[in-house]
Amino acid sequence: AQTVTQSQPEMSVQEAETVTLSCTYDTSESDYYLFWYKQPPSRQMILVIRQEAYKQQNATENRFSVNFQKAAKSFSLKISDSQLGDAAMYFCACTSGYALNFGKGTSLLVTP
Amino acid sequence: DAGVTQSPTHLIKTRGQHVTLRCSPISGHKSVSWYQQVLGQGPQFIFQYYEKEERGRGNFPDRFSARQFPNYSSELNVNALLLGDSALYLCASSFPITYEQYFGPGTRLTVT
Repeated sequence: AQTVTQSQPEMSVQEAETVTLSCTYDTSESDYYLFWYKQPPSRQMILVIRQEAYKQQNATENRFSVNFQKAAKSFSLKISDSQLGDAAMYFCACTSGYALNFGKGTSLLVTP
Repeated sequence: DAGVTQSPTHLIKTRGQHVTLRCSPISGHKSVSWYQQVLGQGPQFIFQYYEKEERGRGNFPDRFSARQFPNYSSELNVNALLLGDSALYLCASSFPITYEQYFGPGTRLTVT
């Protein structure tokens, strides 16, 4: 079984600043994938970034990047140059097959 | 290209009733997954279907069932509704050989 833990229920960041959301996971699988999803008030889950466990290089998508520490089973999301539209719930997820296992989420508030 | 679509958007049912939720995947995607998201929690995996076959099932009672049609659309059925079934039900689609899942807007089910 896989478990995902997000220890920050809420985070706040000022517009144009950088924020890091934390995620730790536990899995007995050697091959797995990690994701960050964003869920705005509209409810639709949007894929932000993915990381293959076999890749050492950290994934980057525009203003979003991850810090993947495989030995520590840590997978944090960094949002640079934060924008008002980044305000949402952010979920970390792990899978090694068909089911995505999600954390409880971090609510990100962006202030002007 | 159209994303994952779900119907209905909202639904109100009474305890003991039955409900059917529908999902159409992204064109070309052959796998559909269902998740239940209770308020304040991350989504919980219910089922995944690929080529009309069940690939995996989460820890949900037999009151929950699903099927996939030849056009890859899917239905989630819940019998004998309980108050605890009130949740946002999310459908996600994916290619069969990738782990990325793309979500629809969800169906908000309220059981009274």
